[in-house]
Amino acid sequence: NAGVTQTPKFQVLKTGQSMTLQCAQDMNHNSMYWYRQDPGMGLRLIYYSASEGTTDKGEVPNGYNVSRLNKREFSLRLESAAPSQTSVYFCASSDSEMIYEQYFGPGTRLTVT
Amino acid sequence: AQSVTQPDIHITVSEGASLELRCNYSYGATPYLFWYVQSPGQGLQLLLKYFSGDTLVQGIKGFEAEFKRSQSSFNLRKPSVHWSDAAEYFCAVGAGIDYKLSFGAGTTVTVRA
Repeated sequence: NAGVTQTPKFQVLKTGQSMTLQCAQDMNHNSMYWYRQDPGMGLRLIYYSASEGTTDKGEVPNGYNVSRLNKREFSLRLESAAPSQTSVYFCASSDSEMIYEQYFGPGTRLTVT
Repeated sequence: AQSVTQPDIHITVSEGASLELRCNYSYGATPYLFWYVQSPGQGLQLLLKYFSGDTLVQGIKGFEAEFKRSQSSFNLRKPSVHWSDAAEYFCAVGAGIDYKLSFGAGTTVTVRA
């Protein structure tokens, strides 16, 4: 099992450009999450999907959109990137029986200039 | 508001010495508690978890943690540190059914020879 995979690993964008971060999991988990990690702030939840067909805002959703494409895949879109969105982005998944036991992907390091 | 505090930003320890990382939380409900480790440039790996029962829990890589309800703490320990334990460690807490896993800011561990 690959667990949680993310693409791309690195990305540099100019202000105003758009991009989509991809995430897939092969653990048959119902719930998926997007976090951002900034120095000294731990991880903060951007959006989550409790189950296929549902998405909800987390702590810091502004400037982002998500799509739960199917049970395996959950994408994060930046419509108009800003320097404040420079961060490391992590996708995670969990089983519906234990939503807090989350398994993380390797991350995408995004720089917006 | 719920919060997770890791008082130590950075700890340096000699190889073979013991290690203790502190974590305090503020939650109204009975929490689910986790410790994650992040090696440089990597994703987060789950070290151990506490849901209920025995307050001393064992994890991977020789780590253990103790839940103390009276002190709202969940400190991580390792009796003898190896150079490969150099990493950043995150305490995380979940409660209720809001899907939000709250992270501390992290503690960076440096291991000196």
